[in-house]
Amino acid sequence: DAGITQSPRHKVTETGTPVTLRCHQTENHRYMYWYRQDPGHGLRLIHYSYGVKDTDKGEVSDGYSVSRSKTEDFLLTLESATSSQTSVYFCAISESSTLGEQFFGPGTRLTVL
Amino acid sequence: GESVGLHLPTLSVQEGDNSIINCAYSNSASDYFIWYKQESGKGPQFIIDIRSNMDKRQGQRVTVLLNKTVKHLSLQIAATQPGDSAVYFCAENRRNNAGNMLTFGGGTRLMVKP
Repeated sequence: DAGITQSPRHKVTETGTPVTLRCHQTENHRYMYWYRQDPGHGLRLIHYSYGVKDTDKGEVSDGYSVSRSKTEDFLLTLESATSSQTSVYFCAISESSTLGEQFFGPGTRLTVL
Repeated sequence: GESVGLHLPTLSVQEGDNSIINCAYSNSASDYFIWYKQESGKGPQFIIDIRSNMDKRQGQRVTVLLNKTVKHLSLQIAATQPGDSAVYFCAENRRNNAGNMLTFGGGTRLMVKP
């Protein structure tokens, strides 16, 4: 998975609790992304980062926040988890700001009860 | 809005046959396309890409064709093997000042029959 790890790999939590997912890369890539994957929707971008402390919203950012204090770490926080945020979350990294593929992590399966 | 989509959600092929997975896109400004393969329980894995100034690109057993006139992308897998069974996604790249942004289609499941 191109030097990308995600933690935890599985999590079950209750509605209303905050949850933080971590993405860690060893590739020193500048760009990092958080996606969610749901049946029938494919992969949808939540937030992305184009450098340390530089982040922006994606397609489905409501209810999520991110932080990037170091090149290698990109954190996704669900401020108050809801059942609609039950999903599989993928982190991706990219080296280039122009054309180039994104490399994906193994994913985190989150269940909100 | 503009989006990337797929015609067939499930494709079943016989082992050894060729597979063709299709994708339609609507954003004529997209300049780069990627095919990903996703096996159960894993993250998407890069297969092949193509830039908008090309109409064909070949890899190992895979070929991507791009028809900009009709905004159509296809992935051809030669001599399909059981290990090719997975979900395949096309993605289009749209550049902005923050990097390359990928928009994914809904995916096609490829099932290979022995």
